[in-house]
Amino acid sequence: ELKVEQNPLFLSMQEGKNYTIYCNYSTTSDRLYWYRQDPGKSLESLFVLLSNGAVKQEGRLMASLDTKARLSTLHITAAVHDLSATYFCAVDSETSGSRLTFGEGTQLTVNP
Amino acid sequence: EAGVAQSPRYKIIEKRQSVAFWCNPISGHATLYWYQQILGQGPKLLIQFQNNGVVDDSQLPKDRFSAERLKGVDSTLKIQPAKLEDSAVYLCASSDLGVLGQPQHFGDGTRLSIL
Repeated sequence: ELKVEQNPLFLSMQEGKNYTIYCNYSTTSDRLYWYRQDPGKSLESLFVLLSNGAVKQEGRLMASLDTKARLSTLHITAAVHDLSATYFCAVDSETSGSRLTFGEGTQLTVNP
Repeated sequence: EAGVAQSPRYKIIEKRQSVAFWCNPISGHATLYWYQQILGQGPKLLIQFQNNGVVDDSQLPKDRFSAERLKGVDSTLKIQPAKLEDSAVYLCASSDLGVLGQPQHFGDGTRLSIL
């Protein structure tokens, strides 16, 4: 069974600081997805990482994938309040087809 | 491009009652998914359709949950009878599997409360 673990689960940080969210998964996969969810809202796709060493950046967020370590990171640079949300990573695998297995989510709060 | 549409947004019922949710995917998307998201957790897949056929329903509690996707477009998810543990947000998503690694696009969800 594919398992996806995120840490930390809760993150409170000050504006202007940097931090990294980690996503570990248990089986071989070359496709990892990051989503953002605001309270009471649906999931918004942030990044799709399709190969080992893939790195993508959008604004203050940068995601990377190491398939050998089965690890993805979401790095936040100079955080701003608007980044406050819950961030999920998700993985699909050869055996699961396109079924996504999600992590528990990281609830990020950026304080002024 | 219009997104994934779901209705209703909220539903409150008593346990043992039945409820149905509706989803209209993004136009042209062949694959449709229903997820259950319990408060504080990540979404969990209930069922996946490819056109009007079921691809994966291994995590669907079939004694009380059913879903259909007639004509390969809209879909309905039904719960009968509902239990207290079914309180959750039910998310519908769609994707076009013609492109490798394309993300799933999610609707706003239906928030179900069981009394």
